[in-house]
Amino acid sequence: EDQVTQSPEALRLQEGESSSLNCSYTVSGLRGLFWYRQDPGKGPEFLFTLYSAGEEKEKERLKATLTKKESFLHITAPKPEDSATYLCAVPNFGNEKLTFGTGTRLTIIP
Amino acid sequence: GAVVSQHPSRVICKSGTSVKIECRSLDFQATTMFWYRQFPKQSLMLMATSNEGSKATYEQGVEKDKFLINHASLTLSTLTVTSAHPEDSSFYICSAVRGGGSDTQYFGPGTRLTVL
Repeated sequence: EDQVTQSPEALRLQEGESSSLNCSYTVSGLRGLFWYRQDPGKGPEFLFTLYSAGEEKEKERLKATLTKKESFLHITAPKPEDSATYLCAVPNFGNEKLTFGTGTRLTIIP
Repeated sequence: GAVVSQHPSRVICKSGTSVKIECRSLDFQATTMFWYRQFPKQSLMLMATSNEGSKATYEQGVEKDKFLINHASLTLSTLTVTSAHPEDSSFYICSAVRGGGSDTQYFGPGTRLTVL
């Protein structure tokens, strides 16, 4: 059974203080790893898809990286508007269902 | 981009009534759509997989007669909560898979259902 674990559960940073969120996974065959951002009362917003170890993708202050066991979401010089819950997920082998991590609740303090 | 809409965004109904929630993929065709439920401060819980032109596949523990799903076209899936009760109050979110070899699920903005 696929498993996804995210850490930390919650993270509070000062504005401008860079950090990384972790997503560890155990899957039978990696077909991709997805990162989403979810604001309170809204559906998840797609950020990145990573397919193979060594792959990196960037969007504004966010950069996602992937190894054979984990993915990191690096946030550089964050702003208060980056506050959200960040979810990672992997698709199940044989179907398109997603296994989600429990998320990291990120708070950026002005 | 890949845009998924849901309607309504919020609905309040009386116990015993039925509520229909629509999920549309606006700029792509989705052969597969998913319906999730989310409780406060918890992760998404998959309820069912909806495939165009076929019956939905429900996750274990989800009552198919209570949560009716219809996937009438490649851009529209509906979830009907029948005979709603207060315990059905929740945040319902749909997602759609963009075809063409991508497994990426794009999510709708969600529907907040409150049953009085």
